[in-house]
Amino acid sequence: DAGVIQSPRHEVTEMGQEVTLRCKPISGHNSLFWYRQTMMRGLELLIYFNNNVPIDDSGMPEDRFSAKMPNASFSTLKIQPSEPRDSAVYFCASSPSGGAADTQYFGPGTRLTVL
Amino acid sequence: QKEVEQNSGPLSVPEGAIASLNCTYSDRGSQSFFWYRQYSGKSPELIMFIYSNGDKEDGRFTAQLNKASQYVSLLIRDSQPSDSATYLCAVKGYSSASKIIFGSGTRLSIRP
Repeated sequence: DAGVIQSPRHEVTEMGQEVTLRCKPISGHNSLFWYRQTMMRGLELLIYFNNNVPIDDSGMPEDRFSAKMPNASFSTLKIQPSEPRDSAVYFCASSPSGGAADTQYFGPGTRLTVL
Repeated sequence: QKEVEQNSGPLSVPEGAIASLNCTYSDRGSQSFFWYRQYSGKSPELIMFIYSNGDKEDGRFTAQLNKASQYVSLLIRDSQPSDSATYLCAVKGYSSASKIIFGSGTRLSIRP
């Protein structure tokens, strides 16, 4: 079975540009998570969805960040406008359930560099 | 105080020895505890999860949970160079809406 798929794997952009990261969760999983990882701050949860509905977006750093999940097999994380401090690895993860027993499966990540 | 705390390391352990990784958490209502391994440049992958006080063993790995002390640990027996990675402790509350909080990770290095 295919794991979590993310695209692009690498993105280099200039400050002020819009960036869109994409994620396809594992088929049948009903929870999807977006994380950001940096050396300074570690792995931070940005937002998560359950059955395509955003449950907790308290980790979204500011209004420049937005996330959507239009259907069970696709999600996007958009940054507009991007800033150099947004440079990080962004992971998408999915989970088969929202209960306490959930296990998250991570995608390969998108390495974002904002110049 | 961070919600999930880990010593950042690096922790250096000789090959064949036992590596002991520790994690403390602040939310007494936490119910689920996970250990993830992350190789450099790769994504985290789940090693073990534990819900009940005591020990849980899986091959060379043993997770230990003490809810009274709000402490969870991971023991790796017969450490191999391939165990060299960053180990992330993660904690989740009881409700289905609870999010998983990750620690900052402990970097483990197994020296041959």
